[in-house]
Amino acid sequence: AQSVTQLGSHVSVSEGALVLLRCNYSSSVPPYLFWYVQYPNQGLQLLLKYTSAATLVKGINGFEAEFKKSETSFHLTKPSAHMSDAAEYFCAVSVNFGNEKLTFGTGTRLTIIP
Amino acid sequence: DSGVTQTPKHLITATGQRVTLRCSPRSGDLSVYWYQQSLDQGLQFLIQYYNGEERAKGNILERFSAQQFPDLHSELNLSSLELGDSALYFCASSVGAGATTGELFFGEGSRLTVL
Repeated sequence: AQSVTQLGSHVSVSEGALVLLRCNYSSSVPPYLFWYVQYPNQGLQLLLKYTSAATLVKGINGFEAEFKKSETSFHLTKPSAHMSDAAEYFCAVSVNFGNEKLTFGTGTRLTIIP
Repeated sequence: DSGVTQTPKHLITATGQRVTLRCSPRSGDLSVYWYQQSLDQGLQFLIQYYNGEERAKGNILERFSAQQFPDLHSELNLSSLELGDSALYFCASSVGAGATTGELFFGEGSRLTVL
């Protein structure tokens, strides 16, 4: 079965600093990987997805992630943090076996320090 | 706005009771998923329906059941409620069940509090 592990349940960065949220996956078949963001009192929203095309994936709000098969990683980055980036971020994995069930990581709460 | 509608947004009830959560998927989406989000368990997949039929089942308790109706809306029924069932229940929808884009569109959730 596939799974993802998010390292760090809480991450704090200063406004303008680099954001790095870590995600490692485990899958016996080529995975599809996703980052979702959850703002307070809202549902989850797709930030970006990797579906076996380009390994560097760009998403909304200036976020990007790189798929590294050798490291089984899909870390999320943003060059310069903004106060509005404060939210909870979830990494998720899916495999192509006939449904789109996503398995989510435990989430990383990102705090931006003014 | 994701296009997925969940009702009610908040629900407070007592142990032993039964509640029904409702979800209307995005227009055109055939799949509906239910997830439970709690502080100790994180986001747990409960069940998926595709065009009225159960497609995948996750960590759904026997006290819970769901269905998807011909108009594609879905209901999640929670019975014999326990304190530990207090959580945020999300519904999500997607276009199909065999495609591989994996993009799910989430509603804002129904927050259940069991007292």
